[in-house]
Amino acid sequence: SSELTQDPAVSVALGQTVRITCQGDSLRGYYANWYQQKPGQAPVLVIFGKNDRPSGIPDRFSGSNSGNTASLTITGAQAEDEADYYCNSRDSYNHRLVFGGGTKLTVL
Amino acid sequence: EVQLVESGGGLVEPGRSLRLSCAGSGFTFDDYAMHWVRQAPGKGLEWVSGIIWNSGTIAYADSVEGRFTISRDNARNSLYLQMDNLRTEDTALYYCAKVGGSGSYYEPLNHWGQGTLVTVSS
Repeated sequence: SSELTQDPAVSVALGQTVRITCQGDSLRGYYANWYQQKPGQAPVLVIFGKNDRPSGIPDRFSGSNSGNTASLTITGAQAEDEADYYCNSRDSYNHRLVFGGGTKLTVL
Repeated sequence: EVQLVESGGGLVEPGRSLRLSCAGSGFTFDDYAMHWVRQAPGKGLEWVSGIIWNSGTIAYADSVEGRFTISRDNARNSLYLQMDNLRTEDTALYYCAKVGGSGSYYEPLNHWGQGTLVTVSS
């Protein structure tokens, strides 16, 4: 089955730009989706498909894809963006979904 | 407003069974695929199982295949997860989640419930 790999932790200075990456073979054929999860809360979809945002998600969140790597970029990170971020996609071989291990974002 | 409310979690001994339910409202339930995703304490998200709108496509993670059964009752706007032969490693918060686009199984998960906690311990 496919796997998605994320860096466990990333930090960014307030107002700066940060990129969170997700690597996996399945990303060569399928887009990644990105979820934000704050402590004690359910995950929230922030980016899906090529680079789409659900309504209500600030435009400082964007997504991109290249080869086997998907990226979530936060341009001008805010204190409220401190959270865990998870990528997810579909498995290349069956009807399964897969999540990355998550990246803990700290806003300094 | 879309709402997903999970129930049925609790404390159970290893080897026993539990049935989780997820009640959906605020959307046309039988138009959308649904998934279960779990999160062990302090750990990341793990996809568990998914079911398309008409139950024609069903899949399970390797870790639960043969022990868990997903089902849905569109007339009752409800999703279920029958969990048999539970193990300590099944301890987690179990979320149900709705996909964003009607008809497709692989759409992103755009609405999540608040989860129901399953604790497997003797």
